[in-house]
Amino acid sequence: GQQVMQIPQYQHVQEGEDFTTYCNSSTTLSNIQWYKQRPGGHPVFLIQLVKSGEVKKQKRLTFQFGEAKKNSSLHITATQTTDVGTYFCAVRPRTGGFKTIFGAGTRLFVKA
Amino acid sequence: DTGVSQDPRHKITKRGQNVTFRCDPISEHNRLYWYRQTLGQGPEFLTYFQNEAQLEKSRLLSDRFSAERPKGSFSTLEIQRTEQGDSAMYLCASSLALGQAYEQYFGPGTRLTVT
Repeated sequence: GQQVMQIPQYQHVQEGEDFTTYCNSSTTLSNIQWYKQRPGGHPVFLIQLVKSGEVKKQKRLTFQFGEAKKNSSLHITATQTTDVGTYFCAVRPRTGGFKTIFGAGTRLFVKA
Repeated sequence: DTGVSQDPRHKITKRGQNVTFRCDPISEHNRLYWYRQTLGQGPEFLTYFQNEAQLEKSRLLSDRFSAERPKGSFSTLEIQRTEQGDSAMYLCASSLALGQAYEQYFGPGTRLTVT
C-alpha cells in the first residue's frame, strides 16, 4: 500500500541554523500535507501542496513539492527554539478515499 | 473553545476490559478521523466517517475495535477485550469537505494505558 519515507528521523541544530526534512513516496501523489507536533501536543496542520513543483512560504518555512510529485521538503531558515517538535508529511492514496497516511516524522531539536 | 475535543484525556484499564472514547469534532465539519499514535511514530489511520457513514476502516484494525458516529456529530471509539499492545494515544481529527482541501484539525487525544 501507499507509504511515505521521511528523513532524517532526528535533527539536532544550533539556534539560527537551517533545517530541512524530506518526504519521499514510491508512487505519484495527488497532494501532500505537512503537520507539526510539539512535544506533548497534537499534530497541527501547516500546509497543503497540490501542484507539481509548487513552492509555498510561511515566514521562515519553505515547502516544496517535487516536479514528479513523488517527494516534498520542508525547510526552516534560521531555526528558533519555538520550532522544536516533530514534522510529519501526510498523503492520501491515489486510489481515492480519504484515508490519510502519515510519515514517521522528523524530530527537530534546537539548542539555544 | 470551538476546537476538537476528546474525552477522557487519560484512561488506565486492565487487560481484557472494554473502553470507550468520545470525540466531539468542530461543529460544521462533516469528516471525522480516528488515529492511533505510539511513541516515535506518526499517526496511524484507523477509520474515517463522512457525516454518519463509516467509509473506510484500516485493515490493521481488529474486530475488537468499533467506531460510530450517530447523527454525524460526535463519535465514539470502542476497544473490546483490551490488550497491552493497545496502549497508545488515540487521536481524533475533523475536517470540512471542500474540494481537494482536507486539512485536519486534531483533538488533544486520549492516552490509553493497558496494564
